[in-house]
Amino acid sequence: DGGITQSPKYLFRKEGQNVTLSCEQNLNHDAMYWYRQDPGQGLRLIYYSQIVNDFQKGDIAEGYSVSREKKESFPLTVTSAQKNPTAFYLCASSIAKGASGANVLTFGAGSRLTVL
Amino acid sequence: GQSLEQPSEVTAVEGAIVQINCTYQTSGFYGLSWYQQHDGGAPTFLSYNALDGLEETGRFSSFLSRSDSYGYLLLQELQMKDSASYFCAASFSGGYNKLIFGAGTRLAVHP
Repeated sequence: DGGITQSPKYLFRKEGQNVTLSCEQNLNHDAMYWYRQDPGQGLRLIYYSQIVNDFQKGDIAEGYSVSREKKESFPLTVTSAQKNPTAFYLCASSIAKGASGANVLTFGAGSRLTVL
Repeated sequence: GQSLEQPSEVTAVEGAIVQINCTYQTSGFYGLSWYQQHDGGAPTFLSYNALDGLEETGRFSSFLSRSDSYGYLLLQELQMKDSASYFCAASFSGGYNKLIFGAGTRLAVHP
């Protein structure tokens, strides 16, 4: 079955450490996204990528970095510069056909990061 | 600016109808989507409106009025499994495509 795989599902990090969250999709979607969700809140866009080797900052990109070397993969690194990294991280993908394609996102199951 | 407003909580009983409203203040607005998220789970796509009017998908319908910068999600014949958070989200024309989410409405369905 096609879908998005995120790993790890749970991750604990000590302050000052960088961590990388994996996101892989086999849907042949062009666009991929990373969102952050805090308890009881909506999703905030961190980074997004429409094509390989290209990505754009979202609303809360500070302290995060991404790469898009392959169409299937869009890893997110949470760096030590991110002051409050404890959150639920969601990766998504969509067919990049202009603005209409952005509306139908398929999400992975998420990665829950806790900083100790 | 780019923001969406929706009620934080709604309560209803099984079998009832509930409407979740969403107003948006966006420049370059293109379309409005709705997503459902159960506790601890990932959001799943429900419906999308690019044009004014009503879109019906089974028990769920979504409405958009561009002139009023307003939309709603209508859930009919409520079931206990519909208890979840519901998010409206807006997309934009021009440049790269991206989706901005509202803060979500938590729906509690009671027997």
